Amino acid sequence: QSVLTQPPSVSAAPGQRVTISCSGGSSNIGNNYVHWYQQLPGTAPKLLIYDNNKRPSGIPDRFSGSKSGTSATLGITGLQTGDEADYYCASWDSNLSAGVFGGGTKLTVL
Amino acid sequence: QLQLQESGPGLVNPSETLSLTCTVSAGSISSSNNYWGWIRQPPGKGLEWIGIIYSSGITYYNPSLKSRVTISVDTSKNQFSLRLNSVTAADTAVYYCARATLYYDLLTGFYAAGGVDYWGQGTLVTVSS
Repeated sequence: QSVLTQPPSVSAAPGQRVTISCSGGSSNIGNNYVHWYQQLPGTAPKLLIYDNNKRPSGIPDRFSGSKSGTSATLGITGLQTGDEADYYCASWDSNLSAGVFGGGTKLTVL
Repeated sequence: QLQLQESGPGLVNPSETLSLTCTVSAGSISSSNNYWGWIRQPPGKGLEWIGIIYSSGITYYNPSLKSRVTISVDTSKNQFSLRLNSVTAADTAVYYCARATLYYDLLTGFYAAGGVDYWGQGTLVTVSS
């Protein structure tokens, strides 16, 4: 059972927009930054969004992040088949003094 | 470009100790703005945070693994290491070493780990006799 809760899967057609939710609590998302990772099959995860809504260099602006209270959302517009991957949210938990991950969401581009 | 590379046995016997080392290149492990840590992923499952270390030796561990985990750093070799005791089949996973940013946690007064911006390629460790 992950500390952060994500839907197991989402799907959308190419060119469409999809959102992935991540729910936590006051000790993690509510008072700490949220980060998002993309993991393509057979590869290491890659940082997609950090500090709630910032994109590392090289990440297209099709990817966006937002946070409200104890929940966060990853948005992807203009879906491409290459976006098919597992997406994970993460945060720091001040009570645990540890990092925590969501269970991951598998994105299928139909 | 910073690079991280895991090394260590790919097969460990049950009840023994899993030991991995991460070698950092094209960057210093003594960087003042980073934690260094380990994350694992059992086959077909999600990511699990194991723990992090600062170059001074300060560590934070996943509470569920804390009794079995030790992370250490060797700044002279630009390496950090993971030891996981008393392993079982449930510890079979791809183990990633990683670098995380840090920021001041207002709730605790300590420095929290931020986003993980560099990852090793990962190494599969199987626990089996």
